[in-house]
Amino acid sequence: GENVEQHPSTLSVQEGDSAVIKCTYSDSASNYFPWYKQELGKRPQLIIDIRSNVGEKKDQRIAVTLNKTAKHFSLHITETQPEDSAVYFCASDYGGSQGNLIFGKGTKLSVKP
Amino acid sequence: EPEVTQTPSHQVTQMGQEVILRCVPISNHLYFYWYRQILGQKVEFLVSFYNNEISEKSEIFDDQFSVERPDGSNFTLKIRSTKLEDSAMYFCASIPPLLDTQYFGPGTRLTVL
Repeated sequence: GENVEQHPSTLSVQEGDSAVIKCTYSDSASNYFPWYKQELGKRPQLIIDIRSNVGEKKDQRIAVTLNKTAKHFSLHITETQPEDSAVYFCASDYGGSQGNLIFGKGTKLSVKP
Repeated sequence: EPEVTQTPSHQVTQMGQEVILRCVPISNHLYFYWYRQILGQKVEFLVSFYNNEISEKSEIFDDQFSVERPDGSNFTLKIRSTKLEDSAMYFCASIPPLLDTQYFGPGTRLTVL
């Protein structure tokens, strides 16, 4: 079945540095790749998403890149701040439009002041 | 801004008891989902629901689970005979028409003793 691999599982950076989280997926039919941020005990919050017809998308300090040929996508956070500390999950849709989301195992990002 | 809501926020039950978790999706959304997240692990898909029937379900969603949309607003997940391993955070999500962005509710923490 569909699988999403996410690396690293933990990431510690100094405030102001960049953070990169990488994911790979297996289903060629996947078209939608969201990233969620989850703070302890809270719901996953969508921070950015990308669709298969786009190679890169940016929203202020956050960017996502997608390589459909290689089936991998990455989250880039620049100028990290302590409030960026959370668990980040990548996901891909399974079965195309309105398909369920398959999540990666998460990356715990710690930003040290 | 409208949000997905869930009740209760925390449910404690004895093994073997039935529980019903409730969700109110955003009013014009058409696709509904249940996910679970065991503590410290990734979010896992359980079931999707569209047009008053199940669209897809995962291996986790066995005969002990059922979903219902009893009226125009509520979307429920029932676990007939809870097991210890059902202890997890259960998230409801929904998607607006013509889009694929999933909006998550705040979750219900289920504790089975």
